[in-house]
Amino acid sequence: DADVTQTPRNRITKTGKRIMLECSQTKGHDRMYWYRQDPGLGLQLIYYSFDVKDINKGEISDGYSVSRQAQAKFSLSLESAIPNQTALYFCATSEAGDYNEQFFGPGTRLTVL
Amino acid sequence: AQSVAQPEDQVNVAEGNPLTVKCTYSVSGNPYLFWYVQYPNRGLQFLLKYITGDNLVKGSYGFEAEFNKSQTSFHLKKPSALVSDSALYFCAVRDTSGAGSYQLTFGKGTKLSVIP
Repeated sequence: DADVTQTPRNRITKTGKRIMLECSQTKGHDRMYWYRQDPGLGLQLIYYSFDVKDINKGEISDGYSVSRQAQAKFSLSLESAIPNQTALYFCATSEAGDYNEQFFGPGTRLTVL
Repeated sequence: AQSVAQPEDQVNVAEGNPLTVKCTYSVSGNPYLFWYVQYPNRGLQFLLKYITGDNLVKGSYGFEAEFNKSQTSFHLKKPSALVSDSALYFCAVRDTSGAGSYQLTFGKGTKLSVIP
């Protein structure tokens, strides 16, 4: 969805480096999410935010942190990257309400050597 | 805990034939069910959802899905497959009872290949 953008689209880094992945949205949604996708495992939720002051851990938050700088911006950080964090990372947004669908960004392919 | 299963890693179908991608779920209360599609090098795109009401849900690109509460299934269907339907399909569930997570749980995905 072009209304949800992620930077960078690809990143190669080394073990121990700090990495930040950024997500911006123009949909005006309150809710934002970070997922990682590994082949054969589907999507796993890392963190989610229902508004600027409400940030929650997902099922695999260890080794990750997030910052919700504004309604439109939600960043994911890997404080000290490790090889098993090599994955495809997606940001998503949705309107408030558990019945609403999510809109996904194009993804960031991260490789940790 | 909520969970979703997609029993087939891959489905192959000839162009023009009907297609079915299977999904079963487990929740404590009533489910919200979603289907998403992922094309190569793209993010997930929403196809359709079941919230309540009519068990047959129609969505984008001619896809539909049938909610079956007794079989806890939400299979994705299309009457006539196109080569352009070849992609990775994800089923997702959210439990509305409060006993499970308020977040979406995704299946592992089913790769659909439509053969010309």
